[in-house]
Amino acid sequence: KQEVTQIPAALSVPEGENLVLNCSFTDSAIYNLQWFRQDPGKGLTSLLLIQSSQREQTSGRLNASLDKSSGRSTLYIAASQPGDSATYLCAVSSSNDYKLSFGAGTTVTVRA
Amino acid sequence: DVKVTQSSRYLVKRTGEKVFLECVQDMDHENMFWYRQDPGLGLRLIYFSYDVKMKEKGDIPEGYSVSREKKERFSLILESASTNQTSMYLCASSPGGPAKNIQYFGAGTRLSVL
Repeated sequence: KQEVTQIPAALSVPEGENLVLNCSFTDSAIYNLQWFRQDPGKGLTSLLLIQSSQREQTSGRLNASLDKSSGRSTLYIAASQPGDSATYLCAVSSSNDYKLSFGAGTTVTVRA
Repeated sequence: DVKVTQSSRYLVKRTGEKVFLECVQDMDHENMFWYRQDPGLGLRLIYFSYDVKMKEKGDIPEGYSVSREKKERFSLILESASTNQTSMYLCASSPGGPAKNIQYFGAGTRLSVL
């Protein structure tokens, strides 16, 4: 069974600092990996999707990397802003499977 | 834009009540999912459905059932609500084919069982 871990559980940084969020998974036979954002009391919004054949994916200030062999993905958020405060979750899908395995998330606070 | 709508944002129910959580998607997606989310545990899959009237158990189906009579609607049923079912419930949908892993989420229903 795929296990997904996100460390740390919480992170607080001053505005302008770059954020580095980590995600590790136990089974490297993945189909893709997604990063989601969740605001308090809300649903999930997809940020980036990395296919298993890709090494990284970028969208604006966000960059996600994937290293399947080591079972890790990293989400970088450049020049953080208070509006980036949220919980970030990673989710892994295995080949030919509908299901996603989620990490517990990292809650980010960006201090003004 | 894909829209997944959950009928209630907040619900308060009493122990033993039968509870229905409704979810509707407007993109003709084949697949629909129900998760619960608890602090420190992330999202855990309760049930999913890959077609009308078809369902499969997820990781934590005990105490729950589901119904999918129409393609756009997926209902989660708590037959006899218990306090340990107090949680945030999230519905999601995904298309068939190669994009089946790309799930779109509703805003969630926060259920309190007293």
